Amino acid sequence: SQELEQSPQSLIVQEGKNLTINCTSSKTLYGLYWYKQKYGEGLIFLMMLQKGGEEKSHEKITAKLDEKKQQSSLHITASQPSHAGIYLCGAGGSNYKLTFGKGTLLTVNP
Amino acid sequence: GAGVSQSPRYKVAKRGQDVALRCDPISGHVSLFWYQQALGQGPEFLTYFQNEAQLDKSGLPSDRFFAERPEGSVSTLKIQRTQQEDSAVYLCASSLASPHSGNTIYFGEGSWLTVV
Repeated sequence: SQELEQSPQSLIVQEGKNLTINCTSSKTLYGLYWYKQKYGEGLIFLMMLQKGGEEKSHEKITAKLDEKKQQSSLHITASQPSHAGIYLCGAGGSNYKLTFGKGTLLTVNP
Repeated sequence: GAGVSQSPRYKVAKRGQDVALRCDPISGHVSLFWYQQALGQGPEFLTYFQNEAQLDKSGLPSDRFFAERPEGSVSTLKIQRTQQEDSAVYLCASSLASPHSGNTIYFGEGSWLTVV
């Protein structure tokens, strides 16, 4: 079965700093989803990547999928307190199921 | 509504009680999923519907868990004789068509179940 490892598990940054969260898969990724979650709430869709080398941006968040399609990164530029939360990567394998990592808890201090 | 809607948002059940969790997917979405998320973990797949057909229920933890989507829209996840280990957030998600084709999967806000 596919496993996703996220790093770091938690991250504390000062407002305005850049940061990167990584997601590594044990198998080739057919589709990689990034979600953000506030504690005890649902998942907010951020981006989906499918092609090797693909990069997508939305506001100050950029996600990349490497050429081999086994690793993805999420980069936040000039972080703000509103970016705080849990970031989850989810892999859509060769079927419809999503396998998720355990998440990265981001704290942004003002 | 515009998004996936779940109810109740919070449920406290006594051990042994039956509970029912409701999911209203985005209108027109063919695919519907249920996930279970324990504290500090990522969501784990429970079951998948395409319209009214339950195509995969391999993630349901035991025969106490039952899901249905009789008319291909609203879905209910039922847990019988709840146990403490059932305490988790239950997330419903939907997508326009099969996720194979790269359709975005949208999640609801979840139903937080606490069994005491």
